[in-house]
Amino acid sequence: DADVTQTPRNRITKTGKRIMLECSQTKGHDRMYWYRQDPGLGLRLIYYSFDVKDINKGEISDGYSVSRQAQAKFSLSLESAIPNQTALYFCATRGGGELFFGEGSRLTVL
Amino acid sequence: AQKVTQAQTEISVVEKEDVTLDCVYETRDTTYYLFWYKQPPSGELVFLIRRNSFDEQNEISGRYSWNFQKSTSSFNFTITASQVVDSAVYFCALRGGSYIPTFGRGTSLIVHP
Repeated sequence: DADVTQTPRNRITKTGKRIMLECSQTKGHDRMYWYRQDPGLGLRLIYYSFDVKDINKGEISDGYSVSRQAQAKFSLSLESAIPNQTALYFCATRGGGELFFGEGSRLTVL
Repeated sequence: AQKVTQAQTEISVVEKEDVTLDCVYETRDTTYYLFWYKQPPSGELVFLIRRNSFDEQNEISGRYSWNFQKSTSSFNFTITASQVVDSAVYFCALRGGSYIPTFGRGTSLIVHP
């Protein structure tokens, strides 16, 4: 089983729908991150959390919200999806060194 | 603020050629870490290397090597004798005192047979 698991892996939805992307990890790390990847733009940080009671906005948090339900779980929500939120989303965790990424969630908003 | 620049958007080579991927960074922190990740066509992100700001020794791992130069704020990645399986998008990243990793825009490497 993967250390960082994202669900769903692929999702197609319509404009205005609420979407939740879930992330769970078995690495025991406190730090968790949500990134968005768009072609040519690299990975941009949406939100991050350093422990269960700590939630922080990244550089592109508008239109998104998060919930840290437990040390192992960090969910990303799009309250009202719009087409320019079509992207590949990655959850990541970090202990002391590098980031460990999930396999990504590809979201398409029509 | 910290910034990572990967000026090469796409590089195309023929198998067995050597190729260098450039990474230039900006940070005001004296302690920081640099990383390279690989994203093959399957989409996952694979960690390749971490280097801290106090260790300027070059590193070699098989056909991969990394050149860290603080004087030019660069952390370049060279693949020797490239192979088709090296085709991927490569990301350089920086983590400083804020503990927030910042990524470059990535370089797409295409290795032709």
